[in-house]
Amino acid sequence: SQQGEEDPQALSIQEGENATMNCSYKTSINNLQWYRQNSGRGLVHLILIRSNEREKHSGRLRVTLDTSKKSSSLLITASRAADTASYFCATPGRGGYQKVTFGTGTKLQVIP
Amino acid sequence: DVKVTQSSRYLVKRTGEKVFLECVQDMDHENMFWYRQDPGLGLRLIYFSYDVKMKEKGDIPEGYSVSREKKERFSLILESASTNQTSMYLCASTRGGGEKGEQYFGPGTRLTVT
Repeated sequence: SQQGEEDPQALSIQEGENATMNCSYKTSINNLQWYRQNSGRGLVHLILIRSNEREKHSGRLRVTLDTSKKSSSLLITASRAADTASYFCATPGRGGYQKVTFGTGTKLQVIP
Repeated sequence: DVKVTQSSRYLVKRTGEKVFLECVQDMDHENMFWYRQDPGLGLRLIYFSYDVKMKEKGDIPEGYSVSREKKERFSLILESASTNQTSMYLCASTRGGGEKGEQYFGPGTRLTVT
């Protein structure tokens, strides 16, 4: 039961360019998270944005959240080869506890 | 430094074998999760646990069971492995509390069932 859907599924850019990934979700949320996964490894948390925030920055990352459109974007500026990874958005799962639901991810390739 | 470890990075098992995947976290987190990840399907929740000896089914629990006898350890058990359980298995943990926040992941176990 996927809540978030990332777009595009894959993205290939040159080093130094900016990369933008989008996430759309279906139901109201309190927050949205972005994670990175390097090939064959576990996921690493990047950033959490709350529903009362429109934009958040962390280093070269900029995340926006538009609750009226039920969408979020992740912008990586001045990309590096080391940014090559898959990126996932995650939204709170249904019901209680601490479940989250992950999207299917955007695979980013940064060409040196 | 926060850490979630998984017992194996790669595992090859035969059809019908009983398989144990172990996960240990050192953060005193209440919640622990097992996901499987398959190409094009993203991460799917198998089981999670919100306390010692407590467990809840996720989205795809069939063919799996879990055990949480100690707070830091969460085990995933494949009672009789089948080829359709070949996958990447990821363990994660998070603290309790109101906000559904950051999950900390282990490095993953790539399981092949032949």
